[in-house]
Amino acid sequence: AQTVTQSQPEMSVQEAETVTLSCTYDTSESNYYLFWYKQPPSRQMILVIRQEAYKQQNATENRFSVNFQKAAKSFSLKISDSQLGDTAMYFCAFIPDPSNAGGTSYGKLTFGQGTILTVHP
Amino acid sequence: DTAVSQTPKYLVTQMGNDKSIKCEQNLGHDTMYWYKQDSKKFLKIMFSYNNKELIINETVPNRFSPKSPDKAHLNLHINSLELGDSAVYFCASSQYRFYEQYFGPGTRLTVT
Repeated sequence: AQTVTQSQPEMSVQEAETVTLSCTYDTSESNYYLFWYKQPPSRQMILVIRQEAYKQQNATENRFSVNFQKAAKSFSLKISDSQLGDTAMYFCAFIPDPSNAGGTSYGKLTFGQGTILTVHP
Repeated sequence: DTAVSQTPKYLVTQMGNDKSIKCEQNLGHDTMYWYKQDSKKFLKIMFSYNNKELIINETVPNRFSPKSPDKAHLNLHINSLELGDSAVYFCASSQYRFYEQYFGPGTRLTVT
């Protein structure tokens, strides 16, 4: 069974500064995908960034980037030039490779506990 | 156009009642899911259907019964509602063998 751990219940950052959210995971799968989702007060789950485990290069989406350390099973999210609109709860999530997983593993997205990020003006 | 929609967005009901939440996706996906987000914001998968066939059934009370009339719809029926069922329920969809799941706006269920 997979587990995802986010050890920071809350974080805060000043507008325009950089913040890093931590995530570790545990799995015996050889290939998988990792995600960061954002949940603002509107409640909508928004995909921020994705990382394929077989890719060594860290994913980047505009101001969002990840530091993926496969051996350490670590997947942190860096937000640069923080904006007020980044205030939200952030979830790290894991899914086994859908092309290989079958049975009850298929499509099972496992989430961490979430980190509340507050961006201050 | 809303990709994944849920109705209703809010549901307040009394203990012991039976209620349903509906989900529809217009993305052409063939796999749909239900997730539950509890009061501590923890998200956990409940069910998933692929082409109307149940493929994930986590440890969920029998009072919860998903129904998929077709690939674009996945409904969640809850019998004999209990206080502990109060949560936000999210529907999601994906294309089989692809990893990315798209979420609906969630349904906040409050049982009094």
